[in-house]
Amino acid sequence: GENVEQHPSTLSVQEGDSAVIKCTYSDSASNYFPWYKQELGKRPQLIIDIRSNVGEKKDQRIAVTLNKTAKHFSLHITETQPEDSAVYFCALDTGFQKLVFGTGTRLLVSP
Amino acid sequence: DAGVIQSPRHEVTEMGQEVTLRCKPISGHDYLFWYRQTMMRGLELLIYFNNNVPIDDSGMPEDRFSAKMPNASFSTLKIQPSEPRDSAVYFCASSLEGGLAPYNEQFFGPGTRLTVL
Repeated sequence: GENVEQHPSTLSVQEGDSAVIKCTYSDSASNYFPWYKQELGKRPQLIIDIRSNVGEKKDQRIAVTLNKTAKHFSLHITETQPEDSAVYFCALDTGFQKLVFGTGTRLLVSP
Repeated sequence: DAGVIQSPRHEVTEMGQEVTLRCKPISGHDYLFWYRQTMMRGLELLIYFNNNVPIDDSGMPEDRFSAKMPNASFSTLKIQPSEPRDSAVYFCASSLEGGLAPYNEQFFGPGTRLTVL
């Protein structure tokens, strides 16, 4: 089946710095690439998604870029804040609403 | 809407016992997903339904696991008999088909933390 590789597994930054998380995949048929944030003990929640017809999407301090040729997509968080600390999962569709998730990145933002 | 509802929130049971997890999706949603989350294996899709019909159960680990969706507002995931390696957080999620975009957000429930002793 489709695999999604996510890096890094952990990321520590200082408040105000930027954070970048990258995912690579192999199935060129994927067209939908969501990112979920999961705070400790909570449920995963969608924070941003991108579809294959665009290369970049921004929503305030977060942005996602997609390179379909190279088969990778990335999450960018600028001006990080302590409340950004969480585990972030990338995902992609494999058809018929089915998602495959990456292994997660634990982001720690220190004040 | 109250969002996706799962029960129980925590379940502790002994090896060999039957466990039933319950999910109520968001009203009007067409898709329902069952996931399992562990530190070792991450977030795994077990099975999903479209309009109450199972579409893909290839993620169900073995015959001890079964899932049903008798109507649009209720689904169960059953483990019989349970084993310690089944200990995990089980999430239910739902999504709405249609609209201009072919893919829509999956809304997760709060999860059921299962511990099998």
